[in-house]
Amino acid sequence: AQSVTQLDSHVSVSEGTPVLLRCNYSSSYSPSLFWYVQHPNKGLQLLLKYTSAATLVKGINGFEAEFKKSETSFHLTKPSAHMSDAAEYFCVVTFSGGYNKLIFGAGTRLAVHP
Amino acid sequence: KAGVTQTPRYLIKTRGQQVTLSCSPISGHRSVSWYQQTPGQGLQFLFEYFSETQRNKGNFPGRFSGRQFSNSRSEMNVSTLELGDSALYLCASSPQGAEGTEAFFGQGTRLTVV
Repeated sequence: AQSVTQLDSHVSVSEGTPVLLRCNYSSSYSPSLFWYVQHPNKGLQLLLKYTSAATLVKGINGFEAEFKKSETSFHLTKPSAHMSDAAEYFCVVTFSGGYNKLIFGAGTRLAVHP
Repeated sequence: KAGVTQTPRYLIKTRGQQVTLSCSPISGHRSVSWYQQTPGQGLQFLFEYFSETQRNKGNFPGRFSGRQFSNSRSEMNVSTLELGDSALYLCASSPQGAEGTEAFFGQGTRLTVV
């Protein structure tokens, strides 16, 4: 069965410090992996996606993620947090044969302090 | 290009009633998926339609149904509403049926069942 585990439900950082949001996946098939962000009362916005090309994926707003097959991980990072990064982040997997069914992690709420 | 439009944005219904939610995908997108978001269960896949055909269905009771029209607009219906159906319902559209393509989300319909 396919699943996604986000290892931290809450992460708190200071503005200007690095961000690390951790995600592990379980999939019997070749996965496609995504990170989405959800700001309060807004829909989901795609940050970045991995679809079997380069293992280091760059996204919007300075975020990037590295696909590590041996560790079944897809952690999201950003070198320097900004106040506007405060939101909920979802790691998402879809897999061959699943059409467009997205399997979401439970989410990580990122707080950024001045 | 207009984004994914969901109507209505907010809805209050009484237990036992039924409700229909609407989703207009981005122009040219043929795949529409529906998700339920609750604090307890997170984001869960309801179903996905492509070219008017349901291709995939999540683990929801038969009270949840959907359809897609020839112009790719989609509706979902929930009959005999229960308090536990209170949630944010999100619609996503994708340009093609290929796995791994980006899903674009609407802002959601917040359904409250009283």
